[in-house]
Amino acid sequence: NAGVTQTPKFQVLKTGQSMTLQCAQDMNHNSMYWYRQDPGMGLRLIYYSASEGTTDKGEVPNGYNVSRLNKREFSLRLESAAPSQTSVYFCASRNPTGNTEAFFGQGTRLTVV
Amino acid sequence: SQQGEEDPQALSIQEGENATMNCSYKTSINNLQWYRQNSGRGLVHLILIRSNEREKHSGRLRVTLDTSKKSSSLLITASRAADTASYFCATFQAGTALIFGKGTTLSVSS
Repeated sequence: NAGVTQTPKFQVLKTGQSMTLQCAQDMNHNSMYWYRQDPGMGLRLIYYSASEGTTDKGEVPNGYNVSRLNKREFSLRLESAAPSQTSVYFCASRNPTGNTEAFFGQGTRLTVV
Repeated sequence: SQQGEEDPQALSIQEGENATMNCSYKTSINNLQWYRQNSGRGLVHLILIRSNEREKHSGRLRVTLDTSKKSSSLLITASRAADTASYFCATFQAGTALIFGKGTTLSVSS
């Protein structure tokens, strides 16, 4: 049982390049999330998908787009990367029914130069 | 802005001592959760306390919740070097997402 899988684990981009971060979960969870983590800032919510077919902005959505491809997969796209998007990105999923915890992937460390 | 704020930002203790971390939040919640993050890794869930609960235990962990003060505390008893990590509180409101605080970095020396 893999849980939440993120790819790639590391990526270096040049300013202006685009890329998509992939996330897949095998726990049949309805809700999925993308966070970014910067030193001293904790985790900040970028986008979330409460259920298949829906997406909503979080605290820091500018410069990002998301796609909930199906129930398993939730991708995060940077259309034109900027140095300010250098961060560690985490995907998470949870069952939204009742009081339940979130399960996290191992993160993608992105550097934009 | 972030929902939760942990205090202190950093905590250094000796093995065997207790570690207490606090979390304050801003709005009404359905539950509050604590997570742990080892350096360079993803977050792992530790414990969840519902809004109608005041205290919860799990092994060496004790969590309290005071909804009137919008605050929670995490107590780790008899700390071990392996407890060295960052600890985050996260709040959840129905219909939204988990919102995290900035975390407390705990260092336990042997």
